[in-house]
Amino acid sequence: DVKVTQSSRYLVKRTGEKVFLECVQDMDHENMFWYRQDPGLGLRLIYFSYDVKMKEKGDIPEGYSVSREKKERFSLILESASTNQTSMYLCASSTTAAISHFGNGTRLTVT
Amino acid sequence: GQSLEQPSEVTAVEGAIVQINCTYQTSGFYGLSWYQQHDGGAPTFLSYNALDGLEETGRFSSFLSRSDSYGYLLLQELQMKDSASYFCAVPGGYQKVTFGTGTKLQVIP
Repeated sequence: DVKVTQSSRYLVKRTGEKVFLECVQDMDHENMFWYRQDPGLGLRLIYFSYDVKMKEKGDIPEGYSVSREKKERFSLILESASTNQTSMYLCASSTTAAISHFGNGTRLTVT
Repeated sequence: GQSLEQPSEVTAVEGAIVQINCTYQTSGFYGLSWYQQHDGGAPTFLSYNALDGLEETGRFSSFLSRSDSYGYLLLQELQMKDSASYFCAVPGGYQKVTFGTGTKLQVIP
């Protein structure tokens, strides 16, 4: 079964910590995405990548960075975590214009 | 930029038909997709329309009118398990995908 795997389901971090969220897909998809999901706000795009080492800002990139050194792996980095980054983070991948697969999400709490 | 509008909540009766609408604004249009998300779960892909018209997949159908910048998801023979949030989404340049804020569907007996 093809899948997108996020390394952690739940994560608790302290304000100011550097946080790494890892995502791996096994479908050889070119495109990978990071979204955050908050009640009433839907899925908001943080960053996406359409190729190895390529990255594009989404709608809310402030406070985040990403890394894509290998095709299958797309990492989201919170350089200095803040309480307003407490959220559900979803990784996704696609090979066409429509996203076909999501990871199960990482619920991050910053205290 | 890209933006999408969909109703925040819809309630429907088990066995009935419900339509969830989505209007969009985008600088370049490539298609409209739909996703289902149960509470606590990840979104799952339902359908993708690149051309005008109705696409049917079992109890679910999706419609697109590019001239009206409008689409809808139609759910027939509603079941309790269809209670979930439904999102429409549009891809943009470099495969960027923007989502609507979601419609929470409640199916009641």
